[in-house]
Amino acid sequence: DIQMTQSPSSLSASVGDRVTITCRASQDISNFLAWYQQKPGRVPKLLIYAASTLQSGVPSRFSGSGSGTDFTLTISSLQPEDVATYYCQKYNSALLIFGGGTKVEIK
Amino acid sequence: EVQLVQSGAEVKKPGESLKISCKASGFTFTNYWIGWVRQMPGKGLEWMGLVYGGDSDSRYSPSFQGQVTMSADKSIRTAYLQWNSLRASDTAMYYCAVTGSAWQYYLDYWGQGTQVTVSS
Repeated sequence: DIQMTQSPSSLSASVGDRVTITCRASQDISNFLAWYQQKPGRVPKLLIYAASTLQSGVPSRFSGSGSGTDFTLTISSLQPEDVATYYCQKYNSALLIFGGGTKVEIK
Repeated sequence: EVQLVQSGAEVKKPGESLKISCKASGFTFTNYWIGWVRQMPGKGLEWMGLVYGGDSDSRYSPSFQGQVTMSADKSIRTAYLQWNSLRASDTAMYYCAVTGSAWQYYLDYWGQGTQVTVSS
C-alpha cells in the first residue's frame, strides 16, 4: 500500500514568514495530489489539487509543487488566518490516503 | 451552489446500529462519487471510502472494509454511511465530501460533519 508521509508534523512561524510543508508518497502518484486546510473546529477545505492547481477562491499566497513522489505546499507570507492543520492526500486511484497532517501555528 | 447537508449528531450505545446521511444539491449527483472521512477526537483525517451516486458502486479503505456500509439513493440525491454494530471506538466526527469529477477523486466540497458518540 502507498504511504503518505508529511513533514514536519508541526511548525511555528512568524507572520510574514515563508512556510513550506512537504509530503512524500512511497510510490509514484504522478500529480494526483491534493492539499486540504482544516482550521480549528472547522470543516476541511480543498486548497490545491493536481499538485499545483489552486482551488477557486484560495489566496494566491498558497502554492503547490511536485510530481511523482515528492510534493510541497508553500505559504509565501504566513497570515494569522492560516493557523490550521494541513493535510496532503493522494488520489491516483479510488483508494485515497491522507498524510498525517502538519499543524501550523503563529510564533 | 454545491451543498452537502449531513444528518444531525447521534448518541448511541455499543452494539446499536446507525445510518447517517449526506444530502446533495447543486451538482449532478449521478455523475460523482461521495467520499466519507472519519476524524477521531484530536486526530487526523482518515479516508473511509467512496460511493458512486449513479449506481452505489462502493470502494472501501482496507481499514474500514467490512466495518461499515456505504450506499446512495439517487432518487433523493442522498448518500449513507451505516454501521450494524457500533463500538466505542467509532466515536468520531464523520464528513461526507463530493469528488472533483467521476475520475478525479480529490474531495472538492464537504458537508458540515456528523458527530457520532458511542457510549454505554
